[in-house]
Amino acid sequence: DTGVSQDPRHKITKRGQNVTFRCDPISEHNRLYWYRQTLGQGPEFLTYFQNEAQLEKSRLLSDRFSAERPKGSFSTLEIQRTEQGDSAMYLCASSAQGEDGYTFGSGTRLTVV
Amino acid sequence: AQSVTQLGSHVSVSEGALVLLRCNYSSSVPPYLFWYVQYPNQGLQLLLKYTSAATLVKGINGFEAEFKKSETSFHLTKPSAHMSDAAEYFCAVSDPSGTYKYIFGTGTRLKVLA
Repeated sequence: DTGVSQDPRHKITKRGQNVTFRCDPISEHNRLYWYRQTLGQGPEFLTYFQNEAQLEKSRLLSDRFSAERPKGSFSTLEIQRTEQGDSAMYLCASSAQGEDGYTFGSGTRLTVV
Repeated sequence: AQSVTQLGSHVSVSEGALVLLRCNYSSSVPPYLFWYVQYPNQGLQLLLKYTSAATLVKGINGFEAEFKKSETSFHLTKPSAHMSDAAEYFCAVSDPSGTYKYIFGTGTRLKVLA
């Protein structure tokens, strides 16, 4: 069990560029979540996968955001045409059973300049 | 709809003193409740969870929390603060059916004074 891995740890991009983040969950976890955390706030739910199926998306996830989890393994979160308001920490988490609680990755900190 | 309120965005305690971090929740269904700790530039680590079993829950690093339905509270305590406890603490409520997505509070930053 190597935990939840996120790559990259930091990303600086210019406004208008596209970015993609990767999350590798714990291998036996079928539930995968993406959250966004801005400075001084708690994480906010973005989207949820059970295996390869994306079962819920937050209204925070505008049409510039897309997430995938091919084959129910790793997941990617893409942001197109980045805006300064997208600057945040993007957290991935996984779990086997919902009542167990999540294991979070260390996050990807995005800065849009 | 579910919500979480954490009273006190900043709490300072002396080393060796009692730690009390407050969390109140609102939920239309029996909740699952969690406390997480976050160190700078890190992800969140699970401290403890309440999932409808014992109302007094013990977690890692000497922390515990008590679920009080009548007060809709799930306060986090530790008898004796250690310098290493300085971090940000988040309370979260999860809908126990469906996605188990969390609603987090805004967090409490704990400072431990020598």
